Amino acid sequence: KQEVTQIPAALSVPEGENLVLNCSFTDSAIYNLQWFRQDPGKGLTSLLLIQSSQREQTSGRLNASLDKSSGRSTLYIAASQPGDSATYLCAVDPLIDNQFYFGTGTSLTVIP
Amino acid sequence: TAGITQAPTSQILAAGRSMTLRCTQDMRHNAMYWYRQDLGLGLRLIHYSNTAGTTGKGEVPDGYSVSRANTDDFPLTLASAVPSQTSVYFCASSPGGNEQFFGPGTRLTVL
Repeated sequence: KQEVTQIPAALSVPEGENLVLNCSFTDSAIYNLQWFRQDPGKGLTSLLLIQSSQREQTSGRLNASLDKSSGRSTLYIAASQPGDSATYLCAVDPLIDNQFYFGTGTSLTVIP
Repeated sequence: TAGITQAPTSQILAAGRSMTLRCTQDMRHNAMYWYRQDLGLGLRLIHYSNTAGTTGKGEVPDGYSVSRANTDDFPLTLASAVPSQTSVYFCASSPGGNEQFFGPGTRLTVL
């Protein structure tokens, strides 16, 4: 079974700082990896999807990278803003079954 | 475009009662999923459907059933609710196993 880990569980940074969120997975045989944002009491909003053949994806101030061989993905947020405060989750889609496996998330607080 | 809608938004249910959580998508996605989200455990897959007429079991299927009569709807039924089913339930859809899109969730409390 695929295990997905996100460290740290919580992160607090001052506004304007660049930051990196980490996601690691145990089985490198994946189809894709997806990063989500979840605001308190809300559903998940898709941020970036990286296919297994890709090494990174960018959207605005967000950049996600994927290193399948080491079982790692990072989400880079540039020039953080208070509105970026949320929980960020990564999910892995393995090749062998129909499940997505989620990490437990990193709770980000950007201090004005 | 509505995307994915879920109903009800929240519900308090007596143990032993049955309940159906509704999920509807208007994106014509083939695949649909039901997850539960619990503090410290993250999201866990309950059941999935790769296409209308087919369903499969996820990581935590016990106590839940689903049906997929058409492309748009994927209801989740609790036949006899127990307190351990207190959770936030999310429905998601995907255009053939790629990017997943989530509904707003149903917060269920079983007393």
